[in-house]
Amino acid sequence: QKEVEQNSGPLSVPEGAIASLNCTYSDRGSQSFFWYRQYSGKSPELIMSIYSNGDKEDGRFTAQLNKASQYVSLLIRDSQPSDSATYLCAPGDTGNQFYFGTGTSLTVIP
Amino acid sequence: DAGITQSPRHKVTETGTPVTLRCHQTENHRYMYWYRQDPGHGLRLIHYSYGVKDTDKGEVSDGYSVSRSKTEDFLLTLESATSSQTSVYFCAIAKTSGYNEQFFGPGTRLTVL
Repeated sequence: QKEVEQNSGPLSVPEGAIASLNCTYSDRGSQSFFWYRQYSGKSPELIMSIYSNGDKEDGRFTAQLNKASQYVSLLIRDSQPSDSATYLCAPGDTGNQFYFGTGTSLTVIP
Repeated sequence: DAGITQSPRHKVTETGTPVTLRCHQTENHRYMYWYRQDPGHGLRLIHYSYGVKDTDKGEVSDGYSVSRSKTEDFLLTLESATSSQTSVYFCAIAKTSGYNEQFFGPGTRLTVL
């Protein structure tokens, strides 16, 4: 059984702070990793993809991957109230299947 | 938005009745997926398709069947709905350029009474 663990939160940060979201996964064969944002009552939206060890930055978002530790994280800089959502981590396997964590709920306090 | 629509968007039905949910895509993607999302369980894969008439089971396939007779349509059928199938159902496609990022439809909220 492939597992994905995320801190469920809720995580609260003040506006302008850095929010740090973490994810560990069990499948050492996973080569691709995805972060989705899901607003309440809406569908998941892909915000970051990362495939290589290290950091990948896209605007205020930075994804960090450490395959040896089976760990992937998402940093949100200068957090905004509009970032308040649930964030889902999803490793992808070689069979085109994704395994989703249960998500971390983030609240950014104005 | 990857051109994915789902119908119906909301449905209330009774235990024992058959239910079919439809996923329609406009971009000719080969891979399509059905997930359900429940509190405390996250997104769980029900079935997926890798081409017309080519489907396979996911993690929680019991009580569900699927069909794909055209590239653009992927149907999920609950042969005899049960209250445990009350959930939000999401369809997704995978873009096979790159690393198969998945993109989701708007979802169907199904309530089985």
